[in-house]
Formats: sequence, structure tokens, C-alpha cells
Amino acid sequence: DQQVKQNSPSLSVQEGRISILNCDYTNSMFDYFLWYKKYPAEGPTFLISISSIKDKNEDGRFTVFLNKSAKHLSLHIVPSQPGDSAVYFCAASGFDSNYQLIWGAGTKLIIKP
Amino acid sequence: ETGVTQSPTHLIKTRGQQVTLRCSSQSGHNTVSWYQQALGQGPQFIFQYYREEENGRGNFPPRFSGLQFPNYSSELNVNALELDDSALYLCASSLGGQGAVYGYTFGSGTRLTVV
Repeated sequence: DQQVKQNSPSLSVQEGRISILNCDYTNSMFDYFLWYKKYPAEGPTFLISISSIKDKNEDGRFTVFLNKSAKHLSLHIVPSQPGDSAVYFCAASGFDSNYQLIWGAGTKLIIKP
Repeated sequence: ETGVTQSPTHLIKTRGQQVTLRCSSQSGHNTVSWYQQALGQGPQFIFQYYREEENGRGNFPPRFSGLQFPNYSSELNVNALELDDSALYLCASSLGGQGAVYGYTFGSGTRLTVV
């Protein structure tokens, strides 16, 4: 039973445009949601997180939106740059998981020049 | 400030053998978590160590065991290797429980292949 789902295995976006990566979850008890970025042959790198009491968090080109009623979050990257090409993972944690991260399967983002 | 380092980077073992993977946590971090990432999937939590004690375990059998040392480095041991154990094993460190909120620092992983 996948508690965190990323339904798009890949996404292709033109350089300079907005990239929107989506994530759905089933457990309403999650308290925190995180996005990680992973390049080949490297470990995941933390990008941005959001608490369940907020609906938006912004850090430079990255903004995460949380819609608790829909159990949905999204990561917006504006503007998209070639270096953003990577696999993006959504992860969640909460009391039920003893605050360990539950991960989605990832979305491969390709930025086209 | 050094990051998380894992060794070895690649490993090939035979079914039934035992393997030990090593991890040095980031300077100042006292918590280490281990994850298994199969191809095309997200990481799966194996267990976490805090101040040398196991502090949480995922849905993995007892043949997956670990240790944390006084310098906060850690080992993951897997006994009686099975073909399905082939995966990327990731180590992540944090200061206390902050990783769940502010993000963990990950190593580059050990790619284990069981044949």
C-alpha cells in the first residue's frame, strides 16, 4: 500500500518555463512533506519542506504547495534550468511513521534547451 | 564540514553470503538512517540509530542488522543474502530528529548486486 504516490514517472519541460511536479498521499496524519532531488550516482539532496499547518513554502526558484483536503502537494520550479534535470522524490513523515520518511517512486524531470 | 561518506561504492556478492556496508555521518550529526532503494522505486526505510541505539525500524527481516559507533559512524549488515537484496543502499545522517523536518544528508550509496 503506497502512502505516497508520484504518478508521473517523467516530465519534460522547456528551459525557462515552469516545472510542476506532483505528489499525492493517503495518510492524513503526515506532519511534514519534503522534496529531494537526485542526480545519477549521487545520493538524494534535500530541496525544500513544508509543515502540514502551512499551504505554501518558498525558497528561491522552488515553491511547494500543500492542499490538505485533496491530500496533494506540488513542487514548482521557476524558471527551469538545465541543471534541474534530475529525479525528484516527494517524501512525508508523521507520528504514524515514527517520523521516518515515506517516499514516492520519483519523477524524472528533463529540461530541454 | 564533511558530508556523508559510504563504502564501498559497488559490491557483488553471491546468494547466501553476508555483507557489511559502512557509513560515516556528517560532522555534528548524531543520527544515522539506512535506506534500501530498488530500481525505479523510492528509498525504503530500513532502520535508524541514535546515540548507538536502534531508534526505529522499517519492514525488514532480522537478517538486516546495524551498529552505530561512538563517533556516530554506522554499519549495515545483511546475512543470508537473497537476489532481491540487490539494490542501492543509502545512508543518511541528521542531528536528532530534525531530518524528518529539515531534511537528511545522504551519502552517494552502495550499489549491491547479489548473484
